[in-house]
Amino acid sequence: GENVEQHPSTLSVQEGDSAVIKCTYSDSASNYFPWYKQELGKRPQLIIDIRSNVGEKKDQRIAVTLNKTAKHFSLHITETQPEDSAVYFCAASPFTGNQFYFGTGTSLTVIP
Amino acid sequence: DAGVIQSPRHEVTEMGQEVTLRCKPISGHNSLFWYRQTMMRGLELLIYFNNNVPIDDSGMPEDRFSAKMPNASFSTLKIQPSEPRDSAVYFCASNLQGAQGYGYTFGSGTRLTVV
Repeated sequence: GENVEQHPSTLSVQEGDSAVIKCTYSDSASNYFPWYKQELGKRPQLIIDIRSNVGEKKDQRIAVTLNKTAKHFSLHITETQPEDSAVYFCAASPFTGNQFYFGTGTSLTVIP
Repeated sequence: DAGVIQSPRHEVTEMGQEVTLRCKPISGHNSLFWYRQTMMRGLELLIYFNNNVPIDDSGMPEDRFSAKMPNASFSTLKIQPSEPRDSAVYFCASNLQGAQGYGYTFGSGTRLTVV
């Protein structure tokens, strides 16, 4: 089955700096890669996703890049703000199934 | 749409008791997923249903766990008997299978504490 690894597990940045979270996956059949943000005590919420036929996608301050050859994808947050502090999860979904395989999460702290 | 609705939000029970968690998916979604979240293991997929049929239950920890989806708008996850190590947040999520590229919508979760 699919194995998703996520790094780093914790990340602290100064407000205004950029944050990058990286994930790798093992199943070359995976073709959909969502990112979720989970604030303390709340549900995970989809913030951005990318399909395998796209190399990069951007939505305001967040962007995701995908390298299918290397089987890795990354989340980039620019001009970080304190409200970006949360746990971020990456996931991969294979073409043949509907289930998502999640990474172990990155706890991001933005220091004012 | 009210989103994915889970109940109860919090459950505290004694070891050995039966626990039932409930989930109502988003109307029109045909896939439903049960996840367990702990600090140690992160988000673990327990079981998922397509069109009310269980597709993959390989994540169900053991026979004490069972899940049903009697119709398109309701699912239950039951633990009997419960043990302290079952303490976790249990999330239900739904999406539309076949619409590849649609992320899950999660419910608010049920925080289960077994004492």
